[in-house]
Amino acid sequence: GNSVTQMEGPVTLSEEAFLTINCTYTATGYPSLFWYVQYPGEGLQLLLKATKADDKGSNKGFEATYRKETTSFHLEKGSVQVSDSAVYFCALNFGNEKLTFGTGTRLTIIP
Amino acid sequence: DTGVSQDPRHKITKRGQNVTFRCDPISEHNRLYWYRQTLGQGPEFLTYFQNEAQLEKSRLLSDRFSAERPKGSFSTLEIQRTEQGDSAMYLCASSLGSTGENTGELFFGEGSRLTVL
Repeated sequence: GNSVTQMEGPVTLSEEAFLTINCTYTATGYPSLFWYVQYPGEGLQLLLKATKADDKGSNKGFEATYRKETTSFHLEKGSVQVSDSAVYFCALNFGNEKLTFGTGTRLTIIP
Repeated sequence: DTGVSQDPRHKITKRGQNVTFRCDPISEHNRLYWYRQTLGQGPEFLTYFQNEAQLEKSRLLSDRFSAERPKGSFSTLEIQRTEQGDSAMYLCASSLGSTGENTGELFFGEGSRLTVL
């Protein structure tokens, strides 16, 4: 079946550090890929997405590129802020909105 | 606040009791989803509605679980004869979708946490 594997957390970084959260997927075919974020006390919200190979999704300084050859969708940000502290979920779907999520990565940014 | 709201936020019950959760989606959204999230895991799909029609149910949804969306607006998720393994966060999400369109953008509520003693 379809699955998403995320880098295990928690991840703790200093403010202005470079962030990478790894995500790889297993799927039959070519899914759409997503990163969702859950800030403390809030519901999950879509951060960015990519629907086909080599697409780059970006939002709020975060980027992720859909790599078909490595079945990956790693999340990156050049300079993190304390306000980026949250839980990040990688997810996929196939032409509908039934999402398959990874286990989540908790990110803490210290000033 | 015009986001997705869920009630109650927390529910503690004894094994064998029935519980019901309510979800009020964003008002113009025609699709509504239920997911379950256990500790250390990502959300898992349970079921979804388009308007009042329940279009898909996961095999995770045993016959003790039933979901309704009677008027295509709010939805309820009932769990009968609760078991300790039902302890989880139950998430509701909504979206505005149409046939053939896949935005992948679901708007989630904060969830209803169930603890079964």
